[in-house]
This record gives sequence, structure tokens and C-alpha cells, in this order.
Amino acid sequence: DTEVTQTPKHLVMGMTNKKSLKCEQHMGHRAMYWYKQKAKKPPELMFVYSYEKLSINESVPSRFSPECPNSSLLNLHLHALQPEDSALYLCASSPEAEYSMNTEAFFGQGTRLTVV
Amino acid sequence: DAKTTQPNSMESNEEEPVHLPCNHSTISGTDYIHWYRQLPSQGPEYVIHGLTSNVNNRMASLAIAEDRKSSTLILHRATLRDAAVYYCLCNYGQNFVFGPGTRLSVLP
Repeated sequence: DTEVTQTPKHLVMGMTNKKSLKCEQHMGHRAMYWYKQKAKKPPELMFVYSYEKLSINESVPSRFSPECPNSSLLNLHLHALQPEDSALYLCASSPEAEYSMNTEAFFGQGTRLTVV
Repeated sequence: DAKTTQPNSMESNEEEPVHLPCNHSTISGTDYIHWYRQLPSQGPEYVIHGLTSNVNNRMASLAIAEDRKSSTLILHRATLRDAAVYYCLCNYGQNFVFGPGTRLSVLP
């Protein structure tokens, strides 16, 4: 199984709602990532988890709250978002956190988030 | 300032080779160069990566300049299914940064 599964595929939420995005992998990877991608732009790194601990937070606003309950799961909790947060949110995993090194990363299909 | 540059778009005819360039003049000597592609409505997909020497796999080849300031992704025979945005990725410090991407169109 070389899949990274993200749910839901689409999400519409109001600015006062609380919602969560979920990401799952069963490849035994020890690093997991959240990216944000606006239309016609490259993905931008938000968070990196290494061995279930947050290792990188790219100055993301606190209305985005990541959680890694176990080595296979990654959540992104959303609260009080703004319309400009509407984007494709991508999850990825790799064998180790240093996937910039000699290993590849696997990406999910993403969650298309619309904030109204 | 750390920066990766790629052409916005390129066009190729089907069954012909495609050379996609990337400039990454400020990466360190130990950072790998990665290429991913993204098809419409999908997440990025790994293509190839390398450090110093040229690399080949079933999808593509990667040619890395001797000074490592640039690299070229080579698709040997483009197919319609290769139409995608191709991203060059390099590590700048702790940030693994996607380049701006090149949108490849393949003409039948």
C-alpha cells in the first residue's frame, strides 16, 4: 500500500465553524507533512511531524492546529478560518523527516477547502 | 536570497523528448534535487531525485550540472499523459521548497 489517504475530499465551512482534515498512511513512514496550495501556485509547507512530534511550523496562524495521534495519522484542526484560507490542503509522508535527502515523498490527493 | 526558478510553461509534441530546466544556484553541496509533477486535480507525484551525478528511472532522467547550480529533467518520449505541472524541489536550510513549476503541454 503506497497510498496517502486524505478525507474529506471537499469541505465547505463557515468562518465560525470548527472542522478537521484527516490524513492516513500505512507505509510505516515516520515523517508526515501538511502543505497548502493556492490555485496556480506551488504547494507551501505548513507543518512537519517527525516521529509523531512537531518538528517544523512554518509560521502558520494558530487557527490551523496540527495533531499527530499516532505514526499513521495526521490531523489538521481548523477554527475561525478566513476566506483567504480557501485552498487545496495536501498531506504527504516520507520514510524519514529529511525527505529532502535520499528518499521520496508520497502525497495525498488533497482536501479542497472553501471558507465562506 | 534562496530561490529556485523554472520557466512558466513549455510545449512538446507527442513522442518527442522534453527537457525541463531548473536553476537552483544557492543550494548546499549536500542537498538533493527532487522533481515532482502534479496532474490536474491530483496531489504531486514523485518523478526522480539526485545529488551530483545523472540519474535514470523508468519515468525520466535527471541531468545535474557539474556546479549543481542547475538541473534538467528529461522525458525521453512525451505522451499525452505527461501533461502536468513539473516542480523542481530543493532544500534551503530547513525549508524544502517547491519551485514555481513548469506547465508542460503535450500536443498530439
